[in-house]
Amino acid sequence: GENVEQHPSTLSVQEGDSAVIKCTYSDSASNYFPWYKQELGKRPQLIIDIRSNVGEKKDQRIAVTLNKTAKHFSLHITETQPEDSAVYFCAASIRYGGATNKLIFGTGTLLAVQP
Amino acid sequence: ETGVTQTPRHLVMGMTNKKSLKCEQHLGHNAMYWYKQSAKKPLELMFVYNFKEQTENNSVPSRFSPECPNSSHLFLHLHTLQPEDSALYLCASSPVIAGGGTEAFFGQGTRLTVV
Repeated sequence: GENVEQHPSTLSVQEGDSAVIKCTYSDSASNYFPWYKQELGKRPQLIIDIRSNVGEKKDQRIAVTLNKTAKHFSLHITETQPEDSAVYFCAASIRYGGATNKLIFGTGTLLAVQP
Repeated sequence: ETGVTQTPRHLVMGMTNKKSLKCEQHLGHNAMYWYKQSAKKPLELMFVYNFKEQTENNSVPSRFSPECPNSSHLFLHLHTLQPEDSALYLCASSPVIAGGGTEAFFGQGTRLTVV
């Protein structure tokens, strides 16, 4: 079936260190991979995304890499700051029924950045 | 604000009650989604509507009944719920484009407690 696995479920790092979150997906037809950040009590918000025709994308301290052959993608946060503390979700887009698509989410990673 | 508004923000209901959750977006999106977020299964897709037509019912019990009268509004009708249905219910919308997935914009969610 369609599923996205995400690891680790919790991650604690010291301020200034890097954090890496990894996801794998099952549907080889998936072509869009967003990452969402959800702060406590707030809605998930997109922080970065990548399409299947690209292997890497970077936006300031955040980068995402995609390995289509292995069907896995990763989020990299460098120089972490306390405000990076949140739950991070990866997702993979599953296309069906023509142009319709749906996002299947991973189980989330609780990132804690210790000052 | 992402342009997706959910009401109410909090809801407490008894197991014999009937209530409805409302979601509204004016982003011009043609796809709308209901997700359930709980500690056990974060961001679990429930229903997908594409151009007002339900295209996905992810094995959701019949005590949850969605309604999409137009592309801007989505409802989730609730009746005879169980305590285990207590969760954060998130609505999302996205544009529909040919050839690939797109970002989903989330509402603030409705925190539902079934007593």
